[in-house]
Amino acid sequence: EAQVTQNPRYLITVTGKKLTVTCSQNMNHEYMSWYRQDPGLGLRQIYYSMNVEVTDKGDVPEGYKVSRKEKRNFPLILESPSPNQTSLYFCASNPQGTTLSTQYFGPGTRLLVL
Amino acid sequence: AQTVTQSQPEMSVQEAETVTLSCTYDTSESNYYLFWYKQPPSRQMILVIRQEAYKQQNATENRFSVNFQKAAKSFSLKISDSQLGDTAMYFCAFMSNSGGGADGLTFGKGTHLIIQP
Repeated sequence: EAQVTQNPRYLITVTGKKLTVTCSQNMNHEYMSWYRQDPGLGLRQIYYSMNVEVTDKGDVPEGYKVSRKEKRNFPLILESPSPNQTSLYFCASNPQGTTLSTQYFGPGTRLLVL
Repeated sequence: AQTVTQSQPEMSVQEAETVTLSCTYDTSESNYYLFWYKQPPSRQMILVIRQEAYKQQNATENRFSVNFQKAAKSFSLKISDSQLGDTAMYFCAFMSNSGGGADGLTFGKGTHLIIQP
């Protein structure tokens, strides 16, 4: 089954404790991205990756890091989480070419930073 | 940069009625895609319908259809014969085709649609 998976689905942590949210897709997609969703703000892009070893900032990259060492994986790293990073996070992927118009979303990761 | 505006934070209609959700966007690009996503209480993002800007014909998916007015930069979603399962947040989104999709989606702030029994 074609899918994007994220782990963990729920996470409660404390300020300053480094964490990683994993994202993996099994569709051989070139493009992957991370979004955060906050009430009243919709979804905003954090980082995106056009292919392995190619990443770039989205609209709200401060406080986040990403890496793309393998095509299927695109982890989101919070080196020193803060309460304002409490949010719902989505990973997404889409293919290159004419079918790129469809983004596949993961199930979301709800993060609470105390 | 693109912006997407959804002017209706919340809407409520009776089951079986028809409802229209509005969306306007601003862009200087000519080649792009527009989407409506549904987010039920499970928080999963579900693609409802998409429209390629170069196509004049409005997209339709069963009970869901769009009214795409390119000159007016308007992209409304019409839900016919609404059902209780349509209750969800609905997001309008824009994707440029100039960057090969790498720019990702620009979302509106969402409309919370409630279908009353």
